[in-house]
Amino acid sequence: SQTIHQWPATLVQPVGSPLSLECTVEGTSNPNLYWYRQAAGRGLQLLFYSVGIGQISSEVPQNLSASRPQDRQFILSSKKLLLSDSGFYLCAWIVKGGTEAFFGQGTRLTVV
Amino acid sequence: QKEVEQDPGPLSVPEGAIVSLNCTYSNSAFQYFMWYRQYSRKGPELLMYTYSSGNKEDGRFTAQVDKSSKYISLFIRDSQPSDSATYLCAMSDSGTYKYIFGTGTRLKVLA
Repeated sequence: SQTIHQWPATLVQPVGSPLSLECTVEGTSNPNLYWYRQAAGRGLQLLFYSVGIGQISSEVPQNLSASRPQDRQFILSSKKLLLSDSGFYLCAWIVKGGTEAFFGQGTRLTVV
Repeated sequence: QKEVEQDPGPLSVPEGAIVSLNCTYSNSAFQYFMWYRQYSRKGPELLMYTYSSGNKEDGRFTAQVDKSSKYISLFIRDSQPSDSATYLCAMSDSGTYKYIFGTGTRLKVLA
């Protein structure tokens, strides 16, 4: 069966520090992978998605970037965090054809 | 204009009531329409999905899609306190692989 791993679960980082969140998927090949951010009490905002190695689509211009160095690995990064980057970050694997999304456990990022 | 609009609520109903949750959208390329339930501090879980227009029923839940009006609904019959959660609609375009969520509606079912 397919599983999706995301870490760390919680992160507190100072303003201006770098960020690297990692997401890996098991049990499938060539998955469509997504990064979402959820602010407190808000919905999921699509940040990036990738349909293959090295292929990144960006939905919202901002202080973040994404990379897909391997088939089942998706990384969210920032060179310098802002206070506004705080939120709940979720990695998702979405079934090709665009139906069900499977989520990682999420990373709660607090920028202080 | 956001691609997907959803009333954030909160929505409070008595136990046993019929709940109606709705989303509107602007992108006519969306073909799959999903409803997720999210409990606090957890990732969303899929309740049901519908392809194109029409109705789909699963137990106490019914999903409706009206592509002509760009309007989707989720009905919950005989609501229970355990249904209290945030409900998010989601839509996907299989051509671009874009998968967009609504802001979510917070539902509280009172015992």
